[in-house]
Order: sequence, then structure tokens, then C-alpha cells
Amino acid sequence: GDSVTQMEGPVTLSEEAFLTINCTYTATGYPSLFWYVQYPGEGLQLLLKATKADDKGSNKGFEATYRKETTSFHLEKGSVQVSDSAVYFCALFLFSGGYNKLIFGAGTRLAVHP
Amino acid sequence: DSGVTQTPKHLITATGQRVTLRCSPRSGDLSVYWYQQSLDQGLQFLIQYYNGEERAKGNILERFSAQQFPDLHSELNLSSLELGDSALYFCASSVGIVPGELFFGEGSRLTVL
Repeated sequence: GDSVTQMEGPVTLSEEAFLTINCTYTATGYPSLFWYVQYPGEGLQLLLKATKADDKGSNKGFEATYRKETTSFHLEKGSVQVSDSAVYFCALFLFSGGYNKLIFGAGTRLAVHP
Repeated sequence: DSGVTQTPKHLITATGQRVTLRCSPRSGDLSVYWYQQSLDQGLQFLIQYYNGEERAKGNILERFSAQQFPDLHSELNLSSLELGDSALYFCASSVGIVPGELFFGEGSRLTVL
């Protein structure tokens, strides 16, 4: 079935380090892909998205490229800050036959230390 | 502030009881989604409503039900509660049926003792 797999956390980094959080997906059609972020005590909020192959989503220094050939949507940031500490969720959206579904990965916790 | 309001924020109850969680979507959003977040299951999609009608169903138990009212607010009813139902329940909304971006509330934390 359709699914999203993320690298397990927690990911612990020092401030200004390079971040990669891996995300791969399995889908029967052509999904749109999203990264959501959940800060402590808050709901999820959209970080970035890409709707077709080779699209690059970017926001707040984060980037992810929709790679159809490797079915991946890895999240990257060149220099993380303490304020980036949060849980990051990769998600895919499919609309097929009048039925739509938004499927989230398990989430990856990021902890950034000064 | 996402504009999505959920009540109550915290709820403690006993096994076998019934509770109702309430969600007011962002102004203008017609779709409401319910998700369950637990430590061992991650974020699980339960159900979606669009303009009062059920549009998609996920891993929602038969003991759970939901509805969306004419004013577009939604309620999630959880009955015959079990210990395993303890979780954070999120409501999210979007403008249309097809979710480009979901706006999440802060969640309702349910503890079943």
C-alpha cells in the first residue's frame, strides 16, 4: 500500500551543522509531497511542499527535491539553529478515484545543541 | 496561531467512558480532518469531512465516530474507551477536498486511566 518511511530519530546536531532527514515513499500514483514540522506543544505546520517530479520545495532555509526515480523527498538545511529543534514529518497526498488520502511518516525528532 | 481551535486541550477519563472532542476549522475552510498521534503509532489519519459530508476514512475504530455540522465545526466521539486510546488527537482543516496545505490545531490530549 501507499506509505512514507522516514529515518528514525532522534537526530542530534550542533548548531550550524548540516541537516539531512531521509524520506522515501511508496505510492500507486503520482503523489504530492510535503514536509510538516511540529514544535514542542504545538500542532503540525506546513514547512514545504512539491507537487511533481523534480520540483524543489524550500522555506526557512530548508529544502527538499521530489525525486521520482528514487521515490525520495529528503529534507536538508545547510546550517541548523537551536530553534529548529522539533519533530519533522514527511507526508504524501494522493487523489485517486474520488478518494483522497494524506499519509504521514512516523516523524523524526531533531535536537540542535548550542 | 493556525486559526484552528480544539477543545478541550486536556481530558482525563476512565476506561469504558465516552468523550467528545470539538474542532472549529479556520474561517473559510470546508474540510476537517481528524488525526490520532500516539507514541507507538505515529500520526494516524482517522477521518475527513467536507462541507458536512464524510469524504475519506482512515484507521478509525468502530467505537469512534465523527460529524461535521452546518456551521462547519466538527466533533469526534470516542466511546467505550480503552487504555490504548490515550493519545493526542489533532484536528486540521483545509479549503477544499484536496488538501494542499493542512492547518492543524494544537490538539486534545486524552488520557484514559
